[in-house]
Amino acid sequence: QITLKESGPTLVKPTQTLTLTCTFSGFSLSTNGVGVGWIRQPPGKALEWLALIYWDDDKRYSPSLKSRLTITKDTSKNQVVLTMTNMDPVDTATYYCAHRPPPGIMRFDPWGQGTLVTVSS
Amino acid sequence: QSVLTQPPSVSAAPGQKVTISCSGSSSNIGNNYVSWYQQLPGTAPKLLIYENKKRPSGIPDRFSGSKSGTSATLGITGLQTGDEADYYCGTWDSSLSAGVVFGGGTKLTVL
Repeated sequence: QITLKESGPTLVKPTQTLTLTCTFSGFSLSTNGVGVGWIRQPPGKALEWLALIYWDDDKRYSPSLKSRLTITKDTSKNQVVLTMTNMDPVDTATYYCAHRPPPGIMRFDPWGQGTLVTVSS
Repeated sequence: QSVLTQPPSVSAAPGQKVTISCSGSSSNIGNNYVSWYQQLPGTAPKLLIYENKKRPSGIPDRFSGSKSGTSATLGITGLQTGDEADYYCGTWDSSLSAGVVFGGGTKLTVL
C-alpha cells in the first residue's frame, strides 16, 4: 500500500522561504519510472501543479513558479522536499504531494492528505 | 485561469447520468493521455480515470472516460449522493511551457 504524507509549517511570513517534506512508503524513488509531484490548491480554487521529480533525478517545474521552486529527493529516507522562496499571501493553499507511477503516462496516484500553509504577517 | 477548460458546475438527479467536459489544445489533450480526479469535500483528490478511459482498481464502472481530438469527457451513470464532489481533468502539456496542467474543476451536485 502506497502512502504519502506532507509536513512543514502551517504559517509562514511574507518573503520567507517555505520548506515542505513529503514522506512516503510503499514504493521506492529509485525504481525506474517512478516520480513524486507537488500540487497545491488555494482555498476554494483549482489544483495547480508545482513540481515533479523522477527516479533518475530529472526535475520539472511549473513555468510560472520555476524561479521560486526547488525539488529534491532523499531516496534513503523515502522523502521528497519542496522549497518555495519569497512566499506571498497568494501562496496560501493546501499543498499535496502525490505518487507518479510508472510507466511514462502522467497521472498522480495516490495523493497525500495535504497540508494547509497560510502566508500572513 | 486554467489551461484546460471545464464547466464550473453540473447537476443531475440521483440515478441519472452526467457528463463533464474538459477542453484543451493540441499541445496537451490532443497529444497526451488524460486523467480525471475526484475530490470529495474536505479530502485529497483521488485518481478516477487514467489514460483517457482506464479505471484504477476499486473504481466502479459507473465512471467512464473518453477523448476525442483536443477534448475529453468524464461520464458518471447511476448518480449517487456520494458522487457529489469536485472533478478535475489533468494531462501533460508538451508546449514550450511544458508541465502538468489541470482543469479548473467542475462541481457536481446530485439534486
